Amino acid sequence: DIQLTQSPSSLPASVGDTVTITCRASQTVRTYLNWYQQRPGKAPKLLISAVSHLQSGVPSRFSGSGSETYFTLTISSLQPEDFATYYCQQSYTTLWTFGQGTKVEIK
Amino acid sequence: QVQLQESGPGRVKPSETLSLTCTVSGDSISRGNYFWGWVRQSPGKGLEWIGVIHYSGTTYYNPSLETRLTMSLDTSKNQFSLKLRSVSAADTAVYYCARGGITLTDWFDPWGQGALVTVSS
Repeated sequence: DIQLTQSPSSLPASVGDTVTITCRASQTVRTYLNWYQQRPGKAPKLLISAVSHLQSGVPSRFSGSGSETYFTLTISSLQPEDFATYYCQQSYTTLWTFGQGTKVEIK
Repeated sequence: QVQLQESGPGRVKPSETLSLTCTVSGDSISRGNYFWGWVRQSPGKGLEWIGVIHYSGTTYYNPSLETRLTMSLDTSKNQFSLKLRSVSAADTAVYYCARGGITLTDWFDPWGQGALVTVSS
């Protein structure tokens, strides 16, 4: 299985901050790396597919980059609705795996 | 707009079979373009990929669940289902259904709202 390790696990931040979440894969996933946002009590929502493709309706303050084994999700100018848990997910192998999640919380 | 909705018992006894159905609206499973799948999330934990099924009937399962798992389609009802046998407390989770992509290298979008299943006697 490909392991995805996100850091940090918890990210205290304030409205207006720019934050970056990293996702490291135990082996290459090429560019088959996606990001989801999960708000409390809600289902995950796809934010970014294939490393950097922003989904329709997702604010442009979200951006993704990376390749092979190292990926980042950056949120510029955090808004109140951005406080949530974020997961990376790889689809390079048939067994899809998720990172353990990064909780962006209010400082 | 595609929407998915999970349904099934909220409580299952240990050693019995967990059965969930996902009803799809706004898209047709029989259109044949997508994979349809399941993900679960244990209380307070992260996301675990369970598996996917294609219109053709082809399935891909998480090896850790494969011996207990069956997924199926009912195109007449535009539904797909999950059966997990011999459950234990470790299977207690919120189960999400979701639409996968056209290929196995895609993603899940959209997701159902989730169904909490508790394994308890």
